[in-house]
Amino acid sequence: GEDVEQSLFLSVREGDSSVINCTYTDSSSTYLYWYKQEPGAGLQLLTYIFSNMDMKQDQRLTVLLNKKDKHLSLRIADTQTGDSAIYFCAESINNQGGKLIFGQGTELSVKP
Amino acid sequence: GAVVSQHPSWVICKSGTSVKIECRSLDFQATTMFWYRQFPKQSLMLMATSNEGSKATYEQGVEKDKFLINHASLTLSTLTVTSAHPEDSSFYICSARDGRLAGGTDTQYFGPGTRLTVL
Repeated sequence: GEDVEQSLFLSVREGDSSVINCTYTDSSSTYLYWYKQEPGAGLQLLTYIFSNMDMKQDQRLTVLLNKKDKHLSLRIADTQTGDSAIYFCAESINNQGGKLIFGQGTELSVKP
Repeated sequence: GAVVSQHPSWVICKSGTSVKIECRSLDFQATTMFWYRQFPKQSLMLMATSNEGSKATYEQGVEKDKFLINHASLTLSTLTVTSAHPEDSSFYICSARDGRLAGGTDTQYFGPGTRLTVL
């Protein structure tokens, strides 16, 4: 079946890099996403990567995809207090009409 | 671009009443909209998928007669929680995608969510 796993918590100091990890089980994933959710708000799309790519960089964000190990990571460089939020990874499955499978979310806490 | 709005942002109602939540795509046409439910400190649970002009597809365990979904236009979907009870209290989030985009991803754009409290 389809399953996406994330660690629940990550705490870093301001200015450090944060690395949030995600594993998935379905090898027919087409796209993998990272979303950010601040308290009481909806989800904000941060970035996505196509399943045939290994890496994607967008300003402070770097996404790494290891398709063999079905492992996805999001690295946030120079983490700021404003980056404190819950981060969800999600995969879209081929021929599922755009349905996304979400991980449990990783709560990132950035300490000054 | 790709802005999705929800209305209301929060609602408090009495047990037994019905509540309608609207989801609008403001600057794109949404061929598909999704409705999620989120409990505190938990992930999103997909309730149903609605395609414009057709009946919604509900996930297993979601009562279609209790959670009525209408997707009458390419920019609006509504979720009506009928005969609401306290256990229906939750954060409801919608998302939208334009499935016609050439070479497009399955990217979903999310609304800000609606906090429902049933007394």
